[in-house]
This record gives sequence, C-alpha cells and structure tokens, in this order.
Amino acid sequence: EAGVVQSPRYKIIEKKQPVAFWCNPISGHNTLYWYRQNLGQGPELLIRYENEEAVDDSQLPKDRFSAERLKGVDSTLKIQPAELGDSAVYLCASSLGARNTEAFFGQGTRLTVV
Amino acid sequence: QKEVEQDPGPLSVPEGAIVSLNCTYSNSAFQYFMWYRQYSRKGPELLMYTYSSGNKEDGRFTAQVDKSSKYISLFIRDSQPSDSATYLCAMSDGSWGKFQFGAGTQVVVTP
Repeated sequence: EAGVVQSPRYKIIEKKQPVAFWCNPISGHNTLYWYRQNLGQGPELLIRYENEEAVDDSQLPKDRFSAERLKGVDSTLKIQPAELGDSAVYLCASSLGARNTEAFFGQGTRLTVV
Repeated sequence: QKEVEQDPGPLSVPEGAIVSLNCTYSNSAFQYFMWYRQYSRKGPELLMYTYSSGNKEDGRFTAQVDKSSKYISLFIRDSQPSDSATYLCAMSDGSWGKFQFGAGTQVVVTP
C-alpha cells in the first residue's frame, strides 16, 4: 500500500513569491492534516480536513496561507506571499478518521525562503 | 510553558545499550499517547500507540504511561545504529484530530 505522497520534496523561493505544496493521502483515509515543522521542533497543526471540509483551521495564518481538498482526496497548501519565517518542513498526514489517532505522515516538503 | 516537554538531546548510547526516552505533560485530559520516529529528512513514522496508563511492548520497544505523574517513556532494548533518529512523543485528549507533539529527542547509537 502506498503511503502519503507529497511533492515537491524541496523548494527554494524568494520572499514575496507564491508557493504550493501537494499531498495525496493514503487511499480510503478521510482525514487529512497539514502540519508545519520548524527546525528542532515537533509538528504543529495548520489545518485538518474531514473529507473535503476544513474542520479545524484555527492555526492557519489566513492572510497568506490557503488550502483546499477538492473531491476529498488530494490537497494543496498555498502560501502567497511567502515570508522568511515560513521556512520550515510542511508535512501532510492522513488517518482513517479523526477518532483514529494513528496518523500516517508523508516525507514532507522542505521550504526555504531566501 | 509548553503542554508537552521533551528533552532535545542529543542522547548518545553505544550499540546494544538500552535507550530511555521520556516526555512530561501538563494537560491531564490527555489519554492517547504516541511515539513517532523521524529519520533525517523524512516524515514521522508511528512506532507505538497506547491508551491511558500502563505498559505496551512491541519487539524491542516498550512504551510506558504514568498518568498520575503525567509522564510517558519509551525504552529501546538492544539498540542498533539504525535506531539513530529523532523520537517524538505526541498526545491527544481524544478530541477529533488534535495531537500535541513534543519537540523530539535526537538519539545517536554508536557502533
């Protein structure tokens, strides 16, 4: 069974430029999460989807971040415009349901803003 | 103060030794406890998942939860160089999709 797939693996952009990350969760997983992991820190939740509905986006900086999960499968996370402080690893995870605490993570996208 | 505290390490042990990792937490509502392993430039991988207090063993890994002390531990027996990674604890009060992660402890197992 394929795991959570993310692309790109690495991205370097100049500040003020836009950037987008893509995630394909494990087949059949209704719950999808986007996390941000800063160097030396644990992942922090940005947004959680139940199918196509964003049910927890309280930690998403909505002035510059947006996300979508069309058709309740793949998801994209966008930053526009990027700031230096956005440099981090962006992790996507999925689980069968939010009550199921076993979340499976992708390899992440390492973003560097210069 | 963070809800979940974890010593960042690095923790260096010789091959074959027991690795002892722990996290403390402040939220008494936490009842689901997880340990993830994260290799460099990889995503976290779930190792152990326990509910409430007690011990759970899986091969060389043992997870312990002491809710009265708000303290959880992970022990790795017969450590191998391949166990060198960052170990993250994570906790949930059962609320839908809410996990609180520790900062991770870097472990180095030397041959």
